[in-house]
Amino acid sequence: AQSVTQLGSHVSVSEGALVLLRCNYSSSVPPYLFWYVQYPNQGLQLLLKYTSAATLVKGINGFEAEFKKSETSFHLTKPSAHMSDAAEYFCAVSHGYSSASKIIFGSGTRLSIRP
Amino acid sequence: DVKVTQSSRYLVKRTGEKVFLECVQDMDHENMFWYRQDPGLGLRLIYFSYDVKMKEKGDIPEGYSVSREKKERFSLILESASTNQTSMYLCASSFPGTSGLWQFFGPGTRLTVL
Repeated sequence: AQSVTQLGSHVSVSEGALVLLRCNYSSSVPPYLFWYVQYPNQGLQLLLKYTSAATLVKGINGFEAEFKKSETSFHLTKPSAHMSDAAEYFCAVSHGYSSASKIIFGSGTRLSIRP
Repeated sequence: DVKVTQSSRYLVKRTGEKVFLECVQDMDHENMFWYRQDPGLGLRLIYFSYDVKMKEKGDIPEGYSVSREKKERFSLILESASTNQTSMYLCASSFPGTSGLWQFFGPGTRLTVL
């Protein structure tokens, strides 16, 4: 069975500081991994995805994530936080392209940015 | 751009009412999904559909049913709403064969059951 654990339900950083949102996964097969972002009163948007190519994945808005198989982690980072990054972030895992694949979501991390 | 729309952003209903949540996508996607989102629990899959008139239970189908009469429209039905169904409901769709990778989400419907 697949699962995702996001460490920290709420993270607060200062504007300009490093953003680090932690995600660990469990999967019995090579996983596909995602980060989604949800801005207030909106649906989810795909931020980036890992699909077994490069282990360092770059996404939109300056975010990136690194797949570390040995640590079963897929942490999300951004070098310099901006006020517009305040949102809820969801890590997710699936095992493939097929119609039988489901995306399993973590519980989410709310990111706050201090001026 | 793919567009997934949901009929209401906010909805208030009373216990015991029958509730319909509508979702429409404009990209001819075969796959459609209904999730509910609750604080601290992330998104949980209620039902999904791979084709017209086809439906499959997700992880938490109890108390819900769905209808898919047309390819672009996927409805979630609460036969008799209860207060524990107060939640944010998100609809998503995806290309054939890619439900495990690309899902496009609607803006959500925040349902309150009094």
